[in-house]
Amino acid sequence: GQQVMQIPQYQHVQEGEDFTTYCNSSTTLSNIQWYKQRPGGHPVFLIQLVKSGEVKKQKRLTFQFGEAKKNSSLHITATQTTDVGTYFCAGDDKIIFGKGTRLHILP
Amino acid sequence: DVKVTQSSRYLVKRTGEKVFLECVQDMDHENMFWYRQDPGLGLRLIYFSYDVKMKEKGDIPEGYSVSREKKERFSLILESASTNQTSMYLCASSWGDTYNEQFFGPGTRLTVL
Repeated sequence: GQQVMQIPQYQHVQEGEDFTTYCNSSTTLSNIQWYKQRPGGHPVFLIQLVKSGEVKKQKRLTFQFGEAKKNSSLHITATQTTDVGTYFCAGDDKIIFGKGTRLHILP
Repeated sequence: DVKVTQSSRYLVKRTGEKVFLECVQDMDHENMFWYRQDPGLGLRLIYFSYDVKMKEKGDIPEGYSVSREKKERFSLILESASTNQTSMYLCASSWGDTYNEQFFGPGTRLTVL
């Protein structure tokens, strides 16, 4: 069946460093969504990408959707302690979630 | 603001018990979803519903059933709870197409002894 793979599973960065998580699908996606889950919390929607090659920015966060609509990335510039959490990508009509990337920030 | 509420934050049940998890949303959303979340496995879709009395199986429906008698309420039922159903259960809702932004409830941490 369709799978959405997310790497890395864990990432430790020093505060102020950049962070990137990648999402890859075995099939072409109609859309991709990104969610953030703080420790002890529930997933919260960040953004949706629909168009091939689309790039969207939210302050220090940059989201990209690949030209072939089979991969996506989330890049955070100059991480802060508030960025701690697990970032999930989710694709397609039945919303297939990746396993997430857990981000730890070292002070 | 959209609010999705779940009946319990923590629940402890015994093997073989019938368990009901309730989810209510207050924004007239067409779609409602049940996921389970386990460490290292991410969110896995159990069932979803795109309308009252309509349901579709997700990736892991075995051992679960659902009920949607009213638009705002979506229930997850464990007919005979087993220890491997110990997990965090998350409910979500969305409007329109099933791939639109989902709003999640706080989750129910279920422990089956």
